[in-house]
Amino acid sequence: ELVMTQSPATLSVSPGERATLSCRASHSVSSNLAWYQQRPGQAPRLLIYGASTRAAGIPARFSGTGSGTDFTLTISSLQSEDFAVYYCQQYDSWPPLTFGGGTKVEIK
Amino acid sequence: EVQLLESGGGLVQPGASLRLSCAVSGFTFSSNGMNWVRQAPGKGLEWVSFIGGGGIVTYYADSVKGRFTIARDNSKNTLYLQMNSLRVEDTAVYYCAKFLVAGGSPFDYWGQGALVTVSS
Repeated sequence: ELVMTQSPATLSVSPGERATLSCRASHSVSSNLAWYQQRPGQAPRLLIYGASTRAAGIPARFSGTGSGTDFTLTISSLQSEDFAVYYCQQYDSWPPLTFGGGTKVEIK
Repeated sequence: EVQLLESGGGLVQPGASLRLSCAVSGFTFSSNGMNWVRQAPGKGLEWVSFIGGGGIVTYYADSVKGRFTIARDNSKNTLYLQMNSLRVEDTAVYYCAKFLVAGGSPFDYWGQGALVTVSS
């Protein structure tokens, strides 16, 4: 099973600042990596797929980079609605489809 | 507009059964692989099961294999998850989720979730 590891577990950032989240796969997933945002009490929302392609309606301040085993989600200037939990997910080798443990982005 | 609406959650005792439903609209249901993903209270996301558009191909997480059964009725645009021999550790919000494209893919639409609580 492909194991996805996210870091840090919690990221404290001030509004307007940049946030950088990391995701590492136990084996290469090529570019078959997605990022999701989950606000409290809501379902996850797809942000990025193919490691770097923004999903429909996602603001340009969200960007994804990486391939193979190391990936990064960057939020260029944090808005109030961006404080949430972020998950990465691989869809290269399945079943099972696997998620990282999540990074909580909180207000500093 | 794509919509997925789960129902059937509730409180059950260990060993009991429960069936979740997910009614969908806004896309060609029979052409899309569908999934169940769950989230235990305060925890992360765990993929549970997949079913292909035709209903023939199914996959399960090891944690539910042999206890859960995924199914679909394309004439009713509805996805199901039959959960038997429920355990306390199955307590979670269960989401139905649609693949962005055929095959292994990200999930582009999710339901609002159905809470399943297994407790004595």
